[in-house]
Amino acid sequence: AQSVTQPDIHITVSEGASLELRCNYSYGATPYLFWYVQSPGQGLQLLLKYFSGDTLVQGIKGFEAEFKRSQSSFNLRKPSVHWSDAAEYFCAVAPVIRTGGFKTIFGAGTRLFVKA
Amino acid sequence: GAVVSQHPSRVICKSGTSVKIECRSLDFQATTMFWYRQFPKQSLMLMATSNEGSKATYEQGVEKDKFLINHASLTLSTLTVTSAHPEDSSFYICSARRDSSNQPQHFGDGTRLSIL
Repeated sequence: AQSVTQPDIHITVSEGASLELRCNYSYGATPYLFWYVQSPGQGLQLLLKYFSGDTLVQGIKGFEAEFKRSQSSFNLRKPSVHWSDAAEYFCAVAPVIRTGGFKTIFGAGTRLFVKA
Repeated sequence: GAVVSQHPSRVICKSGTSVKIECRSLDFQATTMFWYRQFPKQSLMLMATSNEGSKATYEQGVEKDKFLINHASLTLSTLTVTSAHPEDSSFYICSARRDSSNQPQHFGDGTRLSIL
């Protein structure tokens, strides 16, 4: 069965430090991959997506993610974290199924804390 | 970018009341809309998938008669929580997607439902 694993429940980084949030997926073929961010009490905002092509994708707010097929990973990175980046981050997978539609599967989320 | 509006953002009502939540795609036609429920500090749980003009597809364990979903147009889906009870209190989030397998989901800001 398809699954998404975010190994870290929460991460704390200092403002200005670099960030990497891990995401691993389990699926028979390369799925579509997404990262979303959720601020408290709000919905989810799409940060970036990967469908095909260049394995390093750029997103909004200075985030990027790299797809590594050999590791079944799609880790999210940011070179320098800002206090406003504190939020919950969800990795998501969208396998294409033959009926033409698909369901997005979400990881459990990683909560990012930023300290001054 | 694509905008999804969800209304109301917060509802507090008495047990036994029915509550309707609206989800609108403001600048694109959403053939498919999704309804999620999110418990505190947890990931999103897909409740149902609705396609415009057809019956919603509910996930296992979700009561169809309890959570009525209507997707009458390409820009509007509604979720009605019928005869709500305290255990229905939760954060409900909708998302919308253009009918293409390479399109991401765009999320509303969620509705905080509190049943007294």
